[in-house]
Amino acid sequence: DTGVSQDPRHKITKRGQNVTFRCDPISEHNRLYWYRQTLGQGPEFLTYFQNEAQLEKSRLLSDRFSAERPKGSFSTLEIQRTEQGDSAMYLCASSEYLAQANEKLFFGSGTQLSVL
Amino acid sequence: QKEVEQDPGPLSVPEGAIVSLNCTYSNSAFQYFMWYRQYSRKGPELLMYTYSSGNKEDGRFTAQVDKSSKYISLFIRDSQPSDSATYLCAIRPTNYNFGNEKLTFGTGTRLTIIP
Repeated sequence: DTGVSQDPRHKITKRGQNVTFRCDPISEHNRLYWYRQTLGQGPEFLTYFQNEAQLEKSRLLSDRFSAERPKGSFSTLEIQRTEQGDSAMYLCASSEYLAQANEKLFFGSGTQLSVL
Repeated sequence: QKEVEQDPGPLSVPEGAIVSLNCTYSNSAFQYFMWYRQYSRKGPELLMYTYSSGNKEDGRFTAQVDKSSKYISLFIRDSQPSDSATYLCAIRPTNYNFGNEKLTFGTGTRLTIIP
């Protein structure tokens, strides 16, 4: 078990380009979350999956953002037509959800996106 | 009003001091409380998890919850330079309906322990 893995660690792109990030959760964790964190702020919830089902999306997730978790394993987060305001650290977390009282999220190291 | 308020600091203390980090929250529906530690350019790491009022201790760390005041604290005893990081409080409501289970984070307090 190597923890939550995110790829790439850093991404620099030009405004208007599309980018895709990948997250590999801890094996057998059934829940996977995406958060976004800007400098000096705490992580903000974007969306989460239980197995392959996307159960909630934040209003922060505009129609330029899409996330998938095919087969309930790894997940991808795509941002289309990137804007400078999308520059942030994108964090993935996973958990083994058995009961709400016991759910603990484990985070990856994040993907730092810079939009020029 | 934000759901979770946390003093962003920065906070600098000498090595060996007791550190007190605090958050307040606005909604009594929040019932699960966590503290995460985040080193620079890393993801948050879970430190403490509790869902009841009172104190929970783990080594040099003590998490304290006062639900009547909607106030949570993290105390670090015998602080070490390796404790220098950003500390984030996180809370979640008691709601078994899908769609309301996400963690809400404070802004984080940046802590520096001076050798």
